Amino acid sequence: GAGVSQSPRYKVAKRGQDVALRCDPISGHVSLFWYQQALGQGPEFLTYFQNEAQLDKSGLPSDRFFAERPEGSVSTLKIQRTQQEDSAVYLCASSFQKAGDEQFFGPGTRLTVL
Amino acid sequence: GENVEQHPSTLSVQEGDSAVIKCTYSDSASNYFPWYKQELGKRPQLIIDIRSNVGEKKDQRIAVTLNKTAKHFSLHITETQPEDSAVYFCAASGDDKIIFGKGTRLHILP
Repeated sequence: GAGVSQSPRYKVAKRGQDVALRCDPISGHVSLFWYQQALGQGPEFLTYFQNEAQLDKSGLPSDRFFAERPEGSVSTLKIQRTQQEDSAVYLCASSFQKAGDEQFFGPGTRLTVL
Repeated sequence: GENVEQHPSTLSVQEGDSAVIKCTYSDSASNYFPWYKQELGKRPQLIIDIRSNVGEKKDQRIAVTLNKTAKHFSLHITETQPEDSAVYFCAASGDDKIIFGKGTRLHILP
């Protein structure tokens, strides 16, 4: 595709609801990253895939957060039992091979938990 | 793990003047240092990057310098223009994840 796409662009959830955020990376990109960006802050690393393998999930804030990339392309970030502190923009990025290659970001999903 | 510190958090410069943003990193294994520009409500966009085998890189009005010994790197924007107003993020990476600084909000004053 032309670039990284994410859906939905905006999501409003009631506290306690589960949400699923989707990322479509650039076709052929091996690496995929999820970040959380709170208002006025830099992107905070959540997790990283190389193809379908999740190589690092050290940034996931709790066991309510789960990410998968079963076929090595599209990825889903799932948040269970959402809390107000989960409100943020969730950014996805992909790179050709590894983290040391240029990362291309998607437009993000703005999650608001009421 | 890697830690990236970025200063200043806010910077105001007169149009036409230069702007400098500085970052330090902690992990000596880091070898890739990108800089991203993020306009309000938009995605981060790469503006320049540098690898650890190079001390300086320039692209038109933008330059980045890297001091591996001191573990710091800087972004220099010359002849600033109104469209340079944005939030700028530095980052550091080894062969795995990229760690971002907290950002610098750059205001270009008319």
